[in-house]
Amino acid sequence: ETGVTQTPRHLVMGMTNKKSLKCEQHLGHNAMYWYKQSAKKPLELMFVYNFKEQTENNSVPSRFSPECPNSSHLFLHLHTLQPEDSALYLCASSQASSGFSTEAFFGQGTRLTVV
Amino acid sequence: GEDVEQSLFLSVREGDSSVINCTYTDSSSTYLYWYKQEPGAGLQLLTYIFSNMDMKQDQRLTVLLNKKDKHLSLRIADTQTGDSAIYFCAETSSGGSYIPTFGRGTSLIVHP
Repeated sequence: ETGVTQTPRHLVMGMTNKKSLKCEQHLGHNAMYWYKQSAKKPLELMFVYNFKEQTENNSVPSRFSPECPNSSHLFLHLHTLQPEDSALYLCASSQASSGFSTEAFFGQGTRLTVV
Repeated sequence: GEDVEQSLFLSVREGDSSVINCTYTDSSSTYLYWYKQEPGAGLQLLTYIFSNMDMKQDQRLTVLLNKKDKHLSLRIADTQTGDSAIYFCAETSSGGSYIPTFGRGTSLIVHP
């Protein structure tokens, strides 16, 4: 148990569906991240939130829409996904200040399959 | 090239030592980390080292840092089948973005 909880653990969705991934951290951290992990690819940083403000969007298609209502919760809203979006989506959090971050704590991930 | 590089695979026999290597490019790296990912799970922090240290030992794990060559290694003594996993090297730097940068991960396979 890392203090970062992701739900659901597994998700199968059709290309026309809309779904959301949820991440919650109880560590008091101020930065939260979404990563995508695909087979045979490096871990891809998708979005970063610091104090609820989005600070990074690494050229992620608009069919992925993040939301950070407060420092403890992070969502990833999904709509009209493609089969190549199937991957493990990892949420992480850390304490960031003055251009530095402590280690990142990860959730267990959501295994997403787009059919 | 990538900011953090690792070899993709390592195969060892149970009981032997494993050494996983990592190179990085950011000379302002402040902390360097090793994470472990077991199948179907998220990344779990194993250990970390501050950039002004050369070595850190934690039970079966030894981290060596060569700051001049920007080379980090993780040695696992007496490797067990339960150590089979993907090991990620990561760094954060004070010189710019605080966001951790990860390598591709090294798949460690331990066979009897």
